[in-house]
Amino acid sequence: GAGVSQTPSNKVTEKGKYVELRCDPISGHTALYWYRQSLGQGPEFLIYFQGTGAADDSGLPNDRFFAVRPEGSVSTLKIQRTERGDSAVYLCASSLNVNNEQFFGPGTRLTVL
Amino acid sequence: KQEVTQIPAALSVPEGENLVLNCSFTDSAIYNLQWFRQDPGKGLTSLLLIQSSQREQTSGRLNASLDKSSGRSTLYIAASQPGDSATYLCAVQTGANNLFFGTGTRLTVIP
Repeated sequence: GAGVSQTPSNKVTEKGKYVELRCDPISGHTALYWYRQSLGQGPEFLIYFQGTGAADDSGLPNDRFFAVRPEGSVSTLKIQRTERGDSAVYLCASSLNVNNEQFFGPGTRLTVL
Repeated sequence: KQEVTQIPAALSVPEGENLVLNCSFTDSAIYNLQWFRQDPGKGLTSLLLIQSSQREQTSGRLNASLDKSSGRSTLYIAASQPGDSATYLCAVQTGANNLFFGTGTRLTVIP
């Protein structure tokens, strides 16, 4: 079956702009996670959803970052007033339920000029 | 806060060699541990998942072990091939449900 998909694969934007990154999880997976990976580092947790609600958003760096999952499937990560330091690969993962194996999408490479 | 360390940061081996990648974590209260592979510019591919109650998992030429009490895991790759060249990431899942990752080991298998 289809894996986790993310769009766009690449996004280049200018400092101060607003961006949205989309994640389509594996069908039937109730848990969805967002991570951010900087060059040469391992992914760092941002936020996780169980169903429609954000169960843990403790990894969001500041209030410019926000994520939604209104129908319990697709999720959108939203970044306002982008800064150059936001440049990274944003990874989405889903799992059948919490504490199950997580499956990752290919990521969105965000570049803020 | 959970901290995950991977040693070595980079490793080069000739084709056909067996090798071991190491992962250590500071908080032994984990639900599971996953090993991932990441190719340049790509996402993560899950290789093996070990539940906290398990000691090891095997898949083909890969074997992962877990010693939860000492906070260590190893990934053993037998008969390495050039196609194994990638970055290998170790991650532990805690009660917070998210994964804590190490910084990875970059493996190069030389033909």
